[in-house]
Amino acid sequence: EVQLVESGGGLVQPGESLRLSCAASGITFSNYEMNWVRQAPGKGLEWVSYISNTGTTMYYADSVRGRFTISRDNAQNSLYLQMNSLRAEDTAVYYCASRFWSGYKYFDYWGQGTLVTVSS
Amino acid sequence: QSVLTQPPSASGTPGHRVTISCSGSSSNIGSNFVYWYQQLPGTAPKLLMYRDNQRPSGVPDRFSGSKSGTSASLAISGLRSEDESEYYCAAWDDSLSGLVFGTGTTVTVL
Repeated sequence: EVQLVESGGGLVQPGESLRLSCAASGITFSNYEMNWVRQAPGKGLEWVSYISNTGTTMYYADSVRGRFTISRDNAQNSLYLQMNSLRAEDTAVYYCASRFWSGYKYFDYWGQGTLVTVSS
Repeated sequence: QSVLTQPPSASGTPGHRVTISCSGSSSNIGSNFVYWYQQLPGTAPKLLMYRDNQRPSGVPDRFSGSKSGTSASLAISGLRSEDESEYYCAAWDDSLSGLVFGTGTTVTVL
């Protein structure tokens, strides 16, 4: 069974930091490209960041570039998102999402999400 | 700010067909694959369609995807009550170097 389990969310004050983790099981993690996607309360999906399966390529949404850092540890089957200088508008459920194209079949798995609340 | 535009809502009676549009540009839909997700309240998105018109295992063939130019569509035929959900399109955007999502469409079964 495939599982992606996010952790590390919580309530923080503006300007503070948080580190989200996503633990993967049931997949060959090193094959999968990974994304962080967030969803503010009552709003739509917003892509946050991407990392290639080897960890050598990363992309960020303009709204988080320079404040957030995505990383992964393939030996630990884990994905991370270091979030610094948090703002109220970063309040959202953060999902880790995995994707892999085998050449003939596409695999796409999401975690259940972790809530980040930025408020004073 | 969503780059892909979807109608806020769509509805139909059981057994009928509903189509959701997704309008983008040459840098996203026009040059990359489109993906569709279904999201039930309080749950993570679930992949419904990949590479414009391919269904993952387990997705009923009532769901179909298409793309033309800078627009894509998701059609749900034989509408059922369990299809009531939020639907999002997504595509990579070469100009933004990022994934962009649609604004989302709420499907209601009347």
